[in-house]
Amino acid sequence: QKEVEQDPGPLSVPEGAIVSLNCTYSNSAFQYFMWYRQYSRKGPELLMYTYSSGNKEDGRFTAQVDKSSKYISLFIRDSQPSDSATYLCAMSANFNKFYFGSGTKLNVKP
Amino acid sequence: DADVTQTPRNRITKTGKRIMLECSQTKGHDRMYWYRQDPGLGLRLIYYSFDVKDINKGEISDGYSVSRQAQAKFSLSLESAIPNQTALYFCATSETSGRYNEQFFGPGTRLTVL
Repeated sequence: QKEVEQDPGPLSVPEGAIVSLNCTYSNSAFQYFMWYRQYSRKGPELLMYTYSSGNKEDGRFTAQVDKSSKYISLFIRDSQPSDSATYLCAMSANFNKFYFGSGTKLNVKP
Repeated sequence: DADVTQTPRNRITKTGKRIMLECSQTKGHDRMYWYRQDPGLGLRLIYYSFDVKDINKGEISDGYSVSRQAQAKFSLSLESAIPNQTALYFCATSETSGRYNEQFFGPGTRLTVL
């Protein structure tokens, strides 16, 4: 079983839609959770960070962590064509090694 | 100039050849990482280094070796390339005392082994 599971998509939505991206994991020791955004032909860039359970909001983006269910989510409100990218979740128990999901490809249509 | 650079950006080679991918950073970070990215498998850690004298194996180190020549340089070698090492390779850096141990990625090297 992979440490982190993520639906690869692709996910196609109209501009302005609310997008929900999700990951599940198996290692209960994970306590640091991140979302990276990767544009085509680029390296990933950190988008959101959450420690332990709870929500974190940053502009149009909200990250949620439910450790009891081993489930994390990223919500994008009022999605824009510029949000079209691959979104990777990443998580770690101790900041030394991170485990990445396979990435969900998102396309926001104008 | 980019903070994390990788050379070459693209490489096509043949089975059995020795290949070196290089990574340089100007961020002054102590930690450096090598990942490979494959469709459906995401980013998988090959090797990581927390300082010049520290080298650690990641999830998929077989068939790879690394060298940390200086704080700013971390190279990945494929001693005898095989076709299933065809992938997109990323170098990343972070600092031990940094925010969230945020990793900063290079632009990637696309390697094809024929």
